[in-house]
Amino acid sequence: AQSVTQLDSQVPVFEEAPVELRCNYSSSVSVYLFWYVQYPNQGLQLLLKYLSGSTLVKGINGFEAEFNKSQTSFHLRKPSVHISDTAEYFCAVSVLGATNKLIFGTGTLLAVQP
Amino acid sequence: EAGVVQSPRYKIIEKKQPVAFWCNPISGHNTLYWYLQNLGQGPELLIRYENEEAVDDSQLPKDRFSAERLKGVDSTLKIQPAELGDSAVYLCASSLVAQSPGNEQFFGPGTRLTVL
Repeated sequence: AQSVTQLDSQVPVFEEAPVELRCNYSSSVSVYLFWYVQYPNQGLQLLLKYLSGSTLVKGINGFEAEFNKSQTSFHLRKPSVHISDTAEYFCAVSVLGATNKLIFGTGTLLAVQP
Repeated sequence: EAGVVQSPRYKIIEKKQPVAFWCNPISGHNTLYWYLQNLGQGPELLIRYENEEAVDDSQLPKDRFSAERLKGVDSTLKIQPAELGDSAVYLCASSLVAQSPGNEQFFGPGTRLTVL
């Protein structure tokens, strides 16, 4: 079975500072990896995804993530955050060969302070 | 292009009452998902439809939950009777063919259910 761990439930950061949101996964088979963002009272929106190829993936809103197979990690980064980045961020996996079933982590609240 | 539409956005009911949620996916998306999101948790899949067929309902509590997607477009999720523990956000998502893993799932805003 697959699982996703987001150890940080909340990450406070000042505006214009860099940020890293951590995601580790567990799987005995190859996976696809995703980061979704959820703004208050809204549905989830895809930030970026890793399917294959380059391990550094760039997404929307200036976010990027790096797939590290040996460490089973897919950490999300942004070099300079804005107040508008305040939201809940979810890491998710789906299994190669399976039909798009997403398994989500528990989420990390990014709280950007002025 | 309109996104995934869900209604109602908020629902408050007494325990043991029935409740229903409606979802209209993005036009042309034949795969539809219902997720349950408890407070402080990530979404968990309840059921997935390919057109009219429920192809993965292993996580749906069938004693009180039911779902349908009669014409392969919009869908309804029902709870009867509701229990206090059903208080959560119910998310609907849709995607193109699910047999292409990695296809983006587009989420609606969710229905926040409160059971008193």
